[in-house]
Amino acid sequence: AQSVTQPDIHITVSEGASLELRCNYSYGATPYLFWYVQSPGQGLQLLLKYFSGDTLVQGIKGFEAEFKRSQSSFNLRKPSVHWSDAAEYFCAVGPTGGGNKLTFGTGTQLKVEL
Amino acid sequence: GAVVSQHPSWVICKSGTSVKIECRSLDFQATTMFWYRQFPKQSLMLMATSNEGSKATYEQGVEKDKFLINHASLTLSTLTVTSAHPEDSSFYICSARGVNQAGGNEQFFGPGTRLTVL
Repeated sequence: AQSVTQPDIHITVSEGASLELRCNYSYGATPYLFWYVQSPGQGLQLLLKYFSGDTLVQGIKGFEAEFKRSQSSFNLRKPSVHWSDAAEYFCAVGPTGGGNKLTFGTGTQLKVEL
Repeated sequence: GAVVSQHPSWVICKSGTSVKIECRSLDFQATTMFWYRQFPKQSLMLMATSNEGSKATYEQGVEKDKFLINHASLTLSTLTVTSAHPEDSSFYICSARGVNQAGGNEQFFGPGTRLTVL
């Protein structure tokens, strides 16, 4: 069974500081990996995704993530956080080659201090 | 592109009534739509997967007679919460995956519907 672990429930960073949100997955084959962001009361917006190829993927809003197969990780990073980045971040994994089910982590709540 | 809408965005109903939530793909045809439920400060839990023209596939523990899903067209899926009770209060989010969608298993999410049952 596939699973996603986001070890940090809450993270607080100062505006302008760098950010790394952790994501570890368990999956029997090469997965599709996603990071989504959710603002309060809103749906999910895709930040970036990894399917294959370059293990460092660039996303929207200055985010990037690195796929590390040996560590089963897909950590999200941003070099300089803005106050508007405060939100809930979800990592998700899905099967390759199509298929349906996305499995989400429990999310990391990001707070940005001014 | 790839916009998904939900209606209503929030609804309050009395216990025992039924509520219908619509999920529409606005600029693409969605062969598959998904319904998730999210409790406060928790992750999304997949409730069911619906494919256009066929019966929905429900996740374990989800009552199919309680949560009726219809996917009658390539742009519309509906979730009806029947005989709603306060414990059904939640944030319901749909997502859609398009036909011949590049990038594999990407789903596009709607903005969610906040259901409050009194």
